[in-house]
Amino acid sequence: QQQVKQSPQSLIVQKGGISIINCAYENTAFDYFPWYQQFPGKGPALLIAIRPDVSEKKEGRFTISFNKSAKQFSLHIMDSQPGDSATYFCAASTGSSGDKLTFGTGTRLAVRP
Amino acid sequence: DVKVTQSSRYLVKRTGEKVFLECVQDMDHENMFWYRQDPGLGLRLIYFSYDVKMKEKGDIPEGYSVSREKKERFSLILESASTNQTSMYLCASSLKSPYGYTFGSGTRLTVV
Repeated sequence: QQQVKQSPQSLIVQKGGISIINCAYENTAFDYFPWYQQFPGKGPALLIAIRPDVSEKKEGRFTISFNKSAKQFSLHIMDSQPGDSATYFCAASTGSSGDKLTFGTGTRLAVRP
Repeated sequence: DVKVTQSSRYLVKRTGEKVFLECVQDMDHENMFWYRQDPGLGLRLIYFSYDVKMKEKGDIPEGYSVSREKKERFSLILESASTNQTSMYLCASSLKSPYGYTFGSGTRLTVV
């Protein structure tokens, strides 16, 4: 049972464009939603995270938008750069001590120069 | 800089072999995790551990076991490797909460 559904599987964006990756979840107990970025040959690294008490969180060119009623959240990368080319994973958990992250299936982003 | 170190980047093993994947973290984290990563399937949790000598099954534990004799070390064991266990294996650690997993660089295992 996949609890976090991620789309698209792959994405090609021109330099300077906006990259948008979407995730939907089923478990209403989830209250912590991070995004991880993975470069080839490396493990995933935490990029940005949000709790459901806010609808948006921005860190530099990266923004998470959160829609609690729709049980959806998305990552927006503004002014996308070739260096952003990586695989992105959304994840979710209840945030409680001892809990674990459930990951989406990943989106491979390619930013063309 | 904090680190999660996986002992091997690449491994090739034969079907039926017993395989040990080692993971060490230097952050004094309580939680440690083993995931496998496959194209189109994302990261799937195999086993995790909240403390020394404790272990919990994840979503796909079949064919695997784990060992955590020391806080900093978490080992994944493939009792009898099979070709469908060819994958990228990722170890991660975190403090008691799930905030801020730190991942290792992964071990790409090929079973022939």
